[in-house]
Amino acid sequence: RKEVEQDPGPFNVPEGATVAFNCTYSNSASQSFFWYRQDCRKEPKLLMSVYSSGNEDGRFTAQLNRASQYISLLIRDSKLSDSATYLCVVITTGTASKLTFGTGTRLQVTL
Amino acid sequence: EPEVTQTPSHQVTQMGQEVILRCVPISNHLYFYWYRQILGQKVEFLVSFYNNEISEKSEIFDDQFSVERPDGSNFTLKIRSTKLEDSAMYFCASGGGLSRETQYFGPGTRLLVL
Repeated sequence: RKEVEQDPGPFNVPEGATVAFNCTYSNSASQSFFWYRQDCRKEPKLLMSVYSSGNEDGRFTAQLNRASQYISLLIRDSKLSDSATYLCVVITTGTASKLTFGTGTRLQVTL
Repeated sequence: EPEVTQTPSHQVTQMGQEVILRCVPISNHLYFYWYRQILGQKVEFLVSFYNNEISEKSEIFDDQFSVERPDGSNFTLKIRSTKLEDSAMYFCASGGGLSRETQYFGPGTRLLVL
């Protein structure tokens, strides 16, 4: 079983739509969770950390369900500039903060 | 805004040759990492480095690879005797400002082994 699993997509949505991505992780010792964004042939960029109580940053909302070992990202009012691959990332206890990445979910926002 | 820089942006080499990839982490960061991404695949951890020594390495990071922080600012990844399957994007990251776990990535070096 993959450590971090994501639906690869692509998700094709019109501008203004709300879209949600899910991610599951297999290691119950995972302690920290993030969403990164990666544009084509570019480096991953931190979008937001994910906290147990859930957190919001503008149009982006992240949720964590430790019992079910899944993480979600909700994007409201999608913009063309949101088109990218969204990477679910975890850090597992005792791993010197190495990031474990999912394969990413590709989002394409269209006019 | 401080950022991680990497050189070169692209490197083409012949199989069997040695390459050195260079990174300048964010200046007040203490934790340094190398990751790689083979085209079309996920980002994979290679090695983490703290206090002038390797703190963790993956199975990928075998004797062919080494890292060094030669002068207090640069952080290098050396790949000896490159193989075709070493072709990938190599990302350097640094962390340890406000939060050790928040890592910032450089723009990457695209390595092509022929």
